[in-house]
Amino acid sequence: GQQVMQIPQYQHVQEGEDFTTYCNSSTTLSNIQWYKQRPGGHPVFLIQLVKSGEVKKQKRLTFQFGEAKKNSSLHITATQTTDVGTYFCAAPPTTSGTYKYIFGTGTRLKVLA
Amino acid sequence: DAGVTQSPTHLIKTRGQQVTLRCSPKSGHDTVSWYQQALGQGPQFIFQYYEEEERQRGNFPDRFSGHQFPNYSSELNVNALLLGDSALYLCASSLAGEQFFGPGTRLTVL
Repeated sequence: GQQVMQIPQYQHVQEGEDFTTYCNSSTTLSNIQWYKQRPGGHPVFLIQLVKSGEVKKQKRLTFQFGEAKKNSSLHITATQTTDVGTYFCAAPPTTSGTYKYIFGTGTRLKVLA
Repeated sequence: DAGVTQSPTHLIKTRGQQVTLRCSPKSGHDTVSWYQQALGQGPQFIFQYYEEEERQRGNFPDRFSGHQFPNYSSELNVNALLLGDSALYLCASSLAGEQFFGPGTRLTVL
């Protein structure tokens, strides 16, 4: 079945450093979503990417969807302590319609002040 | 506008028991999905309800069942609980793709 792999699993950065997490799929994705989950919290929707090569920015966050629509990345510029949490990508299997979202394994970010 | 609400917040059950978890979607949302999140893992899709019917199901046994009511609220039922069912159960409501998650119900099976 389709799997969505994320790397790295963990990342510790000094406050002010940049951070990037990557999401890779073995199959072409119709779209990809990114979520952030704070420790003890629930996933919060960040963005959805649909088009090949799409790049979207939200303040210090930059999201990219690969040209082949098999990978995606989330880049945070100048991390802050408020960025702490686990970042998940999620995508629907191409063979099962768009209702079921498969979540990646997540990247846990720690920011050291 | 209240977001997605779930009840109860925490629940402790013993093996073999049955449990019902409840979810009220965000106002205006007609689709509800349920996810199971084990500690340190990503959410796993259980099923999705739309127009009071199960529209799609993940790889979960029949012990997991659900229901959606005319007001779009939903219930998740789990029968014959196993230790491995201990997890955070998340409900997400959606409209046009973007999913809004509730705070979850933490289920512990002893």
